[in-house]
Amino acid sequence: DAKTTQPPSMDCAEGRAANLPCNHSTISGNEYVYWYRQIHSQGPQYIIHGLKNNETNEMASLIITEDRKSSTLILPHATLRDTAVYYCIVRSRDYKLSFGAGTTVTVRA
Amino acid sequence: DTEVTQTPKHLVMGMTNKKSLKCEQHMGHRAMYWYKQKAKKPPELMFVYSYEKLSINESVPSRFSPECPNSSLLNLHLHALQPEDSALYLCASSPGTGINQPQHFGDGTRLSIL
Repeated sequence: DAKTTQPPSMDCAEGRAANLPCNHSTISGNEYVYWYRQIHSQGPQYIIHGLKNNETNEMASLIITEDRKSSTLILPHATLRDTAVYYCIVRSRDYKLSFGAGTTVTVRA
Repeated sequence: DTEVTQTPKHLVMGMTNKKSLKCEQHMGHRAMYWYKQKAKKPPELMFVYSYEKLSINESVPSRFSPECPNSSLLNLHLHALQPEDSALYLCASSPGTGINQPQHFGDGTRLSIL
């Protein structure tokens, strides 16, 4: 799986958009970008995934650059309940999710 | 709320005990997984079941024994565990094992070995 690089931590203001960056410069053409988050004392929660095109669902938007070397997860209106560790994962194999260290996001009132 | 249910939520056991962790999903998913998560570390894959057959064992010690009685249930049998096996054990499921199919996780069983 391609390696991802995320900032270790970020602060966001409640009610504002949170933009979480992820670098994956060694990604290859058939590898998907996945985002999960893990709120304290809970299991990882699937957020969104994409291959080339930008994706949006009820939780977030995923913006993938044209060269696919980086992506941004956008939480449109952050709330205190969005405080969590966010994992960006590049997935190349059918069965496996390889989690990295993630970004600890703290939403402040 | 998660659609993957794990029981018990917490488990304390001695090194000579035998216990089992249980996982259940009713989403019709045909792939199920066990992950292990140590404190302040990311989850790591242990086992993969596809259509009720073990397809992947990530070199997990034999003191961990998975079982998939049917398409909705996944068990992890524990025997003679060591203190370093204390961790959060996570179950996940997905429609299949394909790269485009997200895995959905339960909230885990927090295991402590005395």
